[in-house]
Amino acid sequence: RKEVEQDPGPFNVPEGATVAFNCTYSNSASQSFFWYRQDCRKEPKLLMSVYSSGNEDGRFTAQLNRASQYISLLIRDSKLSDSATYLCVVGSTGGGNKLTFGTGTQLKVEL
Amino acid sequence: ETGVTQTPRHLVMGMTNKKSLKCEQHLGHNAMYWYKQSAKKPLELMFVYSLEERVENNSVPSRFSPECPNSSHLFLHLHTLQPEDSALYLCASSPKSDNSPLHFGNGTRLTVT
Repeated sequence: RKEVEQDPGPFNVPEGATVAFNCTYSNSASQSFFWYRQDCRKEPKLLMSVYSSGNEDGRFTAQLNRASQYISLLIRDSKLSDSATYLCVVGSTGGGNKLTFGTGTQLKVEL
Repeated sequence: ETGVTQTPRHLVMGMTNKKSLKCEQHLGHNAMYWYKQSAKKPLELMFVYSLEERVENNSVPSRFSPECPNSSHLFLHLHTLQPEDSALYLCASSPKSDNSPLHFGNGTRLTVT
């Protein structure tokens, strides 16, 4: 089982749609969780951290389910500019940098 | 302005060449990283430096040699690479070498011929 697993997509959605991505992780001791966004041929950029209580930033909502070991990202009212690859990132304990990246889910928002 | 600058943006090199990738961060961070991103694969951590000391080396072949002369600069020296080493090489920094979020540079796209 991969440490961090994501559906690669692509997810093709019309502008204005709501889209949800899930990510599962295998290490139950994981402590930190993030979503990054990566545009084509660009570097990944932090979209948002994911907190146990869930958190929202404008049209984006992230949730964490520790019992089932998955993280979700919900994008409401999607825009053309949301087209990108969304990377799920999980950090485990044990000292040092233990961030593990998923392969990413590609989103294409269309007119 | 990403705060983390990498040069060159693109590099084509033969298997017998020696080249270096450069990374500079202007964020005052104490930790710097090299990652490799190949097509259809997740980012792979190569090296971690914390306050100029290497704290992690993820079984990277010796043909990749990192150097961190100070907390703002990081190099990746390349020699006798293989075609399978062609990838996007990303530098990143973070305040500390823990699980805090990473700030990435724009990457060097490397092609080994």
